Order: sequence, then structure tokens, then C-alpha cells
Amino acid sequence: KNEVEQSPQNLTAQEGEFITINCSYSVGISALHWLQQHPGGGIVSLFMLSSGKKKHGRLIATINIQEKHSSLHITASHPRDSAVYICAVLGPNDMRFGAGTRLTVKP
Amino acid sequence: DGGITQSPKYLFRKEGQNVTLSCEQNLNHDAMYWYRQDPGQGLRLIYYSQIVNDFQKGDIAEGYSVSREKKESFPLTVTSAQKNPTAFYLCASSIERGTDRWTRSWSFGPGTRLTVL
Repeated sequence: KNEVEQSPQNLTAQEGEFITINCSYSVGISALHWLQQHPGGGIVSLFMLSSGKKKHGRLIATINIQEKHSSLHITASHPRDSAVYICAVLGPNDMRFGAGTRLTVKP
Repeated sequence: DGGITQSPKYLFRKEGQNVTLSCEQNLNHDAMYWYRQDPGQGLRLIYYSQIVNDFQKGDIAEGYSVSREKKESFPLTVTSAQKNPTAFYLCASSIERGTDRWTRSWSFGPGTRLTVL
């Protein structure tokens, strides 16, 4: 079993839909990253959070440390949101990554 | 602008050849990392280095080697002993943000896609 599990693996949505991507982890962590990877491969950090909830524009990330679970929500999704979204957990020495969720938003 | 540079973006090599992937950062980050990504899998740690002249094996170090002679540079050599070298390779760096050693700020390079023919 992977230390970081994401669901769903693939997600297709219509423009304007509300998106939720889930992440569960089995290791102790200090914080959790949500990352965005575009087709060229480059990775951008969207959020780093260790408790509660963060919002940036149409993106919202929540984390429940007790349940070892985090969610990434996208409101009013747009085709430019199409990317792979990766959950990553921070330990003392490195970061452990989920396999990613491939999101496709159709116009 | 500070950041991490990986070059080249795409690299092609013949089977049996060693190849070195570069990673340079000007963020003054103390720790640097190499990850490998295969289709449908999460990024996996190859090697990491927390200080100059020191590095540690990650989960999949076999067939790879690294050096950390300078704080800014952490090159990765993919040797002929690596059975399946074709993959996307990501370099990252981090620095402690406060007194808590678990609190680190991370940056990611653009990655290098290596194809072995």
C-alpha cells in the first residue's frame, strides 16, 4: 500500500463544475503540499498546509490531521485547470508523493 | 529571480551510455533532491543531500550516482546499471523555514525527460 493515496486517478469534468480531489496518507507528517503538474512536466506548488483550510482564488484545500486526509477543491472549473494534481506529504527528510489525479476540464 | 534550473528539458541517449542530468539552484537552499516519475506512479526519491559533500540514498538509488561538491549544484548520473532509465527526472530543493526542522520551504525544477533508445 502506498504511503500517499489519491482519488480519483482520472477525472473529467465540464467547464463550470465543482471538482474535488482526495488524498489519504498513512505516515506521520508535518505538512502537506498540493502540487500542479502541467503536460511539460514542470511542477508548481499550489498550497502547503498543516491544519484547517486555505483558499486561493478558485482553489480550496482542506486537511484533517486526525483522519490523515486532505481534499483539493476547484470551484467553477475551467479548461486551463486541466493538469495533474499531486498530493505530497512532508516528513523530516523528504517529501512523499501520491500518484496524481489527471484532471481534464472540457469546454 | 531565484529558482531551480534543470537542463536539458529533453535528453536522448543510447542504451549502455552513462548520462548526467544537471540541477542548479540559486535559492541558497541547503537540501537538494532527485525524484523519478514513471507513468501512473508517484514521484519516487532517488537521492537527497542535506549538506555539501554529503548525500543519502532514497528508495530507488540503484543504478544512479550523485555528487554535492557545491551548495548550488546536485548532478545526477544515470549509469548503464540502471535497468529502466527512461523516465521524467525532477530535482527539488528545500530550506528550513524556522526552528522546527520539519518546517521546510520547497522548490521544484522544470524536470528532464530522459529517453534511452
